Amino acid sequence: DVVLTQTPSILSATIGQSVSISCRSSQSLLDSDGNTYLYWFLQRPGQSPQRLIYLVSNLGSGVPNRFSGSGSGTDFTLKISGVEAEDLGVYYCMQATHAPWTFGGGTKLELK
Amino acid sequence: QVTLKESGPGMLQPSKTLSLTCSFSGFSLSTSGMVVSWIRQPSGKSLEWLAAIDWDGDKYYNPSLKSRLTVSKDTSNTQVFLKITSVDTADTATYYCARSIYNNYFDYWGQGVMVTVSS
Repeated sequence: DVVLTQTPSILSATIGQSVSISCRSSQSLLDSDGNTYLYWFLQRPGQSPQRLIYLVSNLGSGVPNRFSGSGSGTDFTLKISGVEAEDLGVYYCMQATHAPWTFGGGTKLELK
Repeated sequence: QVTLKESGPGMLQPSKTLSLTCSFSGFSLSTSGMVVSWIRQPSGKSLEWLAAIDWDGDKYYNPSLKSRLTVSKDTSNTQVFLKITSVDTADTATYYCARSIYNNYFDYWGQGVMVTVSS
């Protein structure tokens, strides 16, 4: 199975600060169809995960544009440009290039 | 408006079969490219994809659990089911169903149902 390693595991930030989360894959996530099936999710406390980013860098419907995704191959980054209080929770990356689909271990974003 | 909702027994004993239902509205599983997946999350831990069924009735399983899983759907294409046989305490988790359409994975999730396996 593809292993997704997220760093850091805990991220402390102040409101308005810009932060980045890394997701590194044990295999390239570039599919033979030319797509890279890498996704980002946010799980707020007590809630279901919500998708933020699809196919590396595409913003999901209704997701604020302070969120952005980048990367290729095995290295990917989620950036939040100006953290807001509603952004606190656990962030997960996920890959759907190689079966079975797998998730990273999560990065908890908390207030400093 | 797309909604999904999971239902299940809440608690069951080890060695029993867990039966879960995902009821959804706002879309049909008969639509080309549509997929409904099951994902679980033990308390305080990450997410694990379990199984999926697509619009054509094709089924996909996580190999680590495949021998114990059965995913199915109803004929009206508004419900998806998951059965897990021979449960043990390691199956204690919140179980989610989530929708995907083509490469638009997991764009909608249910609220989750908590399942505890205990004697």
